[in-house]
Amino acid sequence: GQQLNQSPQSMFIQEGEDVSMNCTSSSIFNTWLWYKQEPGEGPVLLIALYKAGELTSNGRLTAQFGITRKDSFLNISASIPSDVGIYFCAGQLLGAQKLVFGQGTRLTINP
Amino acid sequence: NAGVMQNPRHLVRRRGQEARLRCSPMKGHSHVYWYRQLPEEGLKFMVYLQKENIIDESGMPKERFSAEFPKEGPSILRIQQVVRGDSAAYFCASSPVPSGSSGANVLTFGAGSRLTVL
Repeated sequence: GQQLNQSPQSMFIQEGEDVSMNCTSSSIFNTWLWYKQEPGEGPVLLIALYKAGELTSNGRLTAQFGITRKDSFLNISASIPSDVGIYFCAGQLLGAQKLVFGQGTRLTINP
Repeated sequence: NAGVMQNPRHLVRRRGQEARLRCSPMKGHSHVYWYRQLPEEGLKFMVYLQKENIIDESGMPKERFSAEFPKEGPSILRIQQVVRGDSAAYFCASSPVPSGSSGANVLTFGAGSRLTVL
């Protein structure tokens, strides 16, 4: 099946630092989504991207839909303790309804 | 303003027993998806259903697993004769009818049902 390669797998940063993570695939995706999951909970949508080249922000979060439609990145600026969690990219192939998920990036913040 | 409701949140079963997980989609959503998450891993697609129809079950194991979304009531994911390897978090998501010609689709997830098989 389609694979999304998400990196890095984990990040250990200091509070206040910026964070960057990305997802790549050999397949072309119609939609890219970024979710955050906290312990014991389900994924919560952060940002949805619908067009190649699209750059969208949600507060301190910024995500981009790659021009080739095979990648996406998520940036978090000025990290704070509540940013801790696992971040997942997810992609939707053209004509498909289901989402394919990356392996996740686990973010840990040292105060 | 209920979101996607899953129950039970935690379920413990012995090997060989049956597990039934229930999911009520968000109000106005007619599409339901089930995903499985093993510890320290991402979410793996299992099945996609609309009311009374299974649309895509390409991620469902061939045996012991089944899913339904009846005309009335919640969607059910059923696992028969559970084994230890079935221990995982099972997430349900729902979506409205996809919008626009692109069919762009945003899934809203429930909090999950955590199955432990002893």
